[in-house]
Amino acid sequence: GDSVTQMEGPVTLSEEAFLTINCTYTATGYPSLFWYVQYPGEGLQLLLKATKADDKGSNKGFEATYRKETTSFHLEKGSVQVSDSAVYFCALRIAGGTSYGKLTFGQGTILTVHP
Amino acid sequence: NAGVMQNPRHLVRRRGQEARLRCSPMKGHSHVYWYRQLPEEGLKFMVYLQKENIIDESGMPKERFSAEFPKEGPSILRIQQVVRGDSAAYFCASHRELNTEAFFGQGTRLTVV
Repeated sequence: GDSVTQMEGPVTLSEEAFLTINCTYTATGYPSLFWYVQYPGEGLQLLLKATKADDKGSNKGFEATYRKETTSFHLEKGSVQVSDSAVYFCALRIAGGTSYGKLTFGQGTILTVHP
Repeated sequence: NAGVMQNPRHLVRRRGQEARLRCSPMKGHSHVYWYRQLPEEGLKFMVYLQKENIIDESGMPKERFSAEFPKEGPSILRIQQVVRGDSAAYFCASHRELNTEAFFGQGTRLTVV
């Protein structure tokens, strides 16, 4: 079946440090890939997405590139801020049909950024 | 335009009681999904509904759980005879017809004591 694996967490960084959160996937079809962010006590917000190989999703300084050859979608940010502290989820969605909201999520990575 | 609204935000039930979780999708959204997030885990798909129809319930436990999305009113996730293992955060997501982005609510945190 489809699955998403994220790097083990939690991740603790100092402000302005470089961030990488690894994400790899297995899928029977040709998936779209997503990163969601969950702030404390909140629901999930879409951070960025990519729908085909070599696409780069970007938002709020975060980037991730869809790598079909390595089945990866690693999240990066050049300089993190305290306000980036949250839980980050990698997810995939198989193309086709109308179930655009049916996603397979990784287990989440807790990021804490200290001043 | 209000986002996806879930209520209650927090729900405490004793073992054996019923839990009823509500989700009002965004205006114009006719597709609703329910997810469950167990402690320190990712979200797991439970069920996908369109108005008055269950489209995909492959993630729903076979017993005690049911979901509906009536023609009028919110979608309801019902858990009968709750057990401690049902304690989790339950999230709802919705999208428009032919729209590729789903929006999530803030979740209902169910605690079974």
